[in-house]
Amino acid sequence: GENVEQHPSTLSVQEGDSAVIKCTYSDSASNYFPWYKQELGKGPQLIIDIRSNVGEKKDQRIAVTLNKTAKHFSLHITETQPEDSAVYFCAALESGGGADGLTFGKGTHLIIQP
Amino acid sequence: DVKVTQSSRYLVKRTGEKVFLECVQDMDHENMFWYRQDPGLGLRLIYFSYDVKMKEKGDIPEGYSVSREKKERFSLILESASTNQTSMYLCASSPLAGGSYEQYFGPGTRLTVT
Repeated sequence: GENVEQHPSTLSVQEGDSAVIKCTYSDSASNYFPWYKQELGKGPQLIIDIRSNVGEKKDQRIAVTLNKTAKHFSLHITETQPEDSAVYFCAALESGGGADGLTFGKGTHLIIQP
Repeated sequence: DVKVTQSSRYLVKRTGEKVFLECVQDMDHENMFWYRQDPGLGLRLIYFSYDVKMKEKGDIPEGYSVSREKKERFSLILESASTNQTSMYLCASSPLAGGSYEQYFGPGTRLTVT
């Protein structure tokens, strides 16, 4: 089955700086890579996703890059703000389709220092 | 907005008790999932269902069973609760068609087994 590794487990950045979280996956058949944000007391919520036929995707201050050859993908948050503080999870989905569960990384606790 | 609700936010049960965790979604989604979330381990898939009365094992099904009698409701059952099942349990749903793999999560149930 799929295995997703995520680093770092904790990331502390100054407000206004950029944050980068990295993930690697093991199954070359995986073709969908979402990022979820979990705020305290809430369930995870999708913030951005990328499919294997695309190398980069941006949505305002967040972007995701995918390197299929190396089997890794990254989340980039620019101009960080206090509300970006949360736990972020990367995930991968095998090409079996959306009926299967996602394989998640272990999560990154992002702390934005004022 | 998609809404996924879970029957309890907090639950305390005794070892050996039978425990039911209920999840309801209001968006007519075909797929439903149960994950458990533990510190340092991320989210791990217990069971999923892609249709009424259908179920598939995830990565950690041991000690759990599920029931899906109606499309909107997916129940997780701990036949005989044990202390190592103390965890946060998250339910999610997603549509089968439409090309979207986004999973919508409920707020979670924090279960403590004493």
